[in-house]
Amino acid sequence: AQSVTQPDIHITVSEGASLELRCNYSYGATPYLFWYVQSPGQGLQLLLKYFSGDTLVQGIKGFEAEFKRSQSSFNLRKPSVHWSDAAEYFCAVGAAYSSASKIIFGSGTRLSIRP
Amino acid sequence: NAGVTQTPKFQVLKTGQSMTLQCAQDMNHNSMYWYRQDPGMGLRLIYYSASEGTTDKGEVPNGYNVSRLNKREFSLRLESAAPSQTSVYFCASSDNRRGTGGGGANVLTFGAGSRLTVL
Repeated sequence: AQSVTQPDIHITVSEGASLELRCNYSYGATPYLFWYVQSPGQGLQLLLKYFSGDTLVQGIKGFEAEFKRSQSSFNLRKPSVHWSDAAEYFCAVGAAYSSASKIIFGSGTRLSIRP
Repeated sequence: NAGVTQTPKFQVLKTGQSMTLQCAQDMNHNSMYWYRQDPGMGLRLIYYSASEGTTDKGEVPNGYNVSRLNKREFSLRLESAAPSQTSVYFCASSDNRRGTGGGGANVLTFGAGSRLTVL
């Protein structure tokens, strides 16, 4: 069965510092992997996705993520965070292109920014 | 282009009452999903519909029913609401048709959410 683990419930970093949010997945076949962001009181927005090819993917707002098959991980990174990055971040996994795909989310990591 | 529209945005129910959450998308997507979001639990998949005419259970289907009315609409029904169903519900859609390719498949477009309180 699919599952996604985000081990960090809440992370606080200083503005300008680097960020890494962890995501581990369990999936029996080739996964599609995603990071979504939810700003306070808002809906969810796609940050980036991995389908195939280059294992380092770039997303919006200066975020990137690296797919490591051997570690079943898809960690999200940003070199320098801004106060506006304070939000909740969700990692998700789906089936590599399928017409009947379940998309499962992790429990989320809440990011706070220290001025 | 409205994207994914959910109604109502807010609802308060008493235990045992029934209600239906409506969801419609205008992007010609074939797949639609219902999630619930609870603090510390992330988003949990309730039901999904890979294409018109099909529905499948997700992670937490108990206490819910769904109807894929047509390609655009996917409703979620609570037949007898319970306090444990107090949550924020999100509808989403994606384009998983054959030939779409990997670029758009499984990418979810979400509605704004519906906050449901069951007393």
